[in-house]
Formats: sequence, structure tokens, C-alpha cells
Amino acid sequence: QQQVKQSPQSLIVQKGGISIINCAYENTAFDYFPWYQQFPGKGPALLIAIRPDVSEKKEGRFTISFNKSAKQFSLHIMDSQPGDSATYFCAASDAGGTSYGKLTFGQGTILTVHP
Amino acid sequence: GAVVSQHPSRVICKSGTSVKIECRSLDFQATTMFWYRQFPKQSLMLMATSNEGSKATYEQGVEKDKFLINHASLTLSTLTVTSAHPEDSSFYICSARGRPVTKDTQYFGPGTRLTVL
Repeated sequence: QQQVKQSPQSLIVQKGGISIINCAYENTAFDYFPWYQQFPGKGPALLIAIRPDVSEKKEGRFTISFNKSAKQFSLHIMDSQPGDSATYFCAASDAGGTSYGKLTFGQGTILTVHP
Repeated sequence: GAVVSQHPSRVICKSGTSVKIECRSLDFQATTMFWYRQFPKQSLMLMATSNEGSKATYEQGVEKDKFLINHASLTLSTLTVTSAHPEDSSFYICSARGRPVTKDTQYFGPGTRLTVL
């Protein structure tokens, strides 16, 4: 019940295209859903996060869509650029619970944007 | 944004030695810090959660006597890998969270690459 399932494992997109990564969760206690970007040999960096009280959040080229009833959320990267090539992780936590906001991570998606 | 640093960034040690990794929150008080390890092309695996001034909570399967965690202050947590062996070679990453500044967000350090010969 603690799992977060992420797909696809890898994604190749042309420059200017839209990259879409999907995640699904089971634990209905999760109330905080961040996305992280990680470059090789670096720590993850927070991209954008959403809470279940909204269905969509947009920051620049990055948009999270959230479907509470389906227990799914997705990351959309508009106008994808070669510099976006990285590994993306979705995550979820019971932020207000007793686990101190412990994150459960998806398996990761390796995004490659071709010029 | 909030900044978390780690030191060292890389360490190579001989089998049987102990290695200490430091994690610091530079511009906020980290009430909770987390330690992860990550193998190549895999996701982050949470090892333990530590709150300032109290004992760390370890995830199932993580040996607390091998991976010693100390969260002595609101800006510093340390992970000591005791009697390291080649199978402990990995990328170790810390993250920190501190209300109210960071709210529910965890900020990650840059990671430490440990190689045990």
C-alpha cells in the first residue's frame, strides 16, 4: 500500500515536444505529491509539488495533473528541451502524519530530449 | 530556496574502515533529516529518519549498528558507515525538512559517492 508506481521507465522526446510521466498510488493517506529532477551524480532537486485539494498546478513549463479519485498524478513538461534530459521521480507522503513526511518514491523515468 | 550541503562529495576507503558523511542545512533549521542510498539507475531507498535530539528511526532491513546516524543539532546530521565493505559502495544522499520554512518540502543534498575497496 506504500508503493508509488511510475511509468514509463524511459522516455525519448524531440525538442519542443511534450513529455508526460505518470504515477499511481494506493495509500489514501498521502497528501503531498512532489516531483524531483535528478542529473547524474547529483542529488534530486524539487521541481513542483501538489496537494490533493487542487487538480492541476503549473509552474513555467512544468504542470502536475492530479486525479484524486483515480489516485493518479502526472507531470507534463511542455516545450521539452535537451537540458531537461534527466531522471524524474514522483513521490508521495503523508505530510501531516506521524512519519515526519517520509517520502515514498516512484521508480524513476529517464527522459532524453533529442535536439 | 533552502540549501542542503553534504561532505565529502566523494570518498574512497579500504574495507573494514569507518566513514562519516555530514549533512548540513545551510539556511534553515532542519527538524527532520532523512538518509537515502541510491544504486546506479535505481530509485532512492530511504535508510532512516532522524529528528533533532532523538534517536533515528531505521527502515526495515537497514542495520542500525552499521549505519550510525546522529542528528545533534538543527543544522547537522551525520551518517557513519562502520566497518565498510565493498557492498556498501553506493551513492548516499541526505534530505532535510524544517517547518515552518520548508513546510512539507524535503530539500536534498548533492550526495556522497562512497567506494569501498
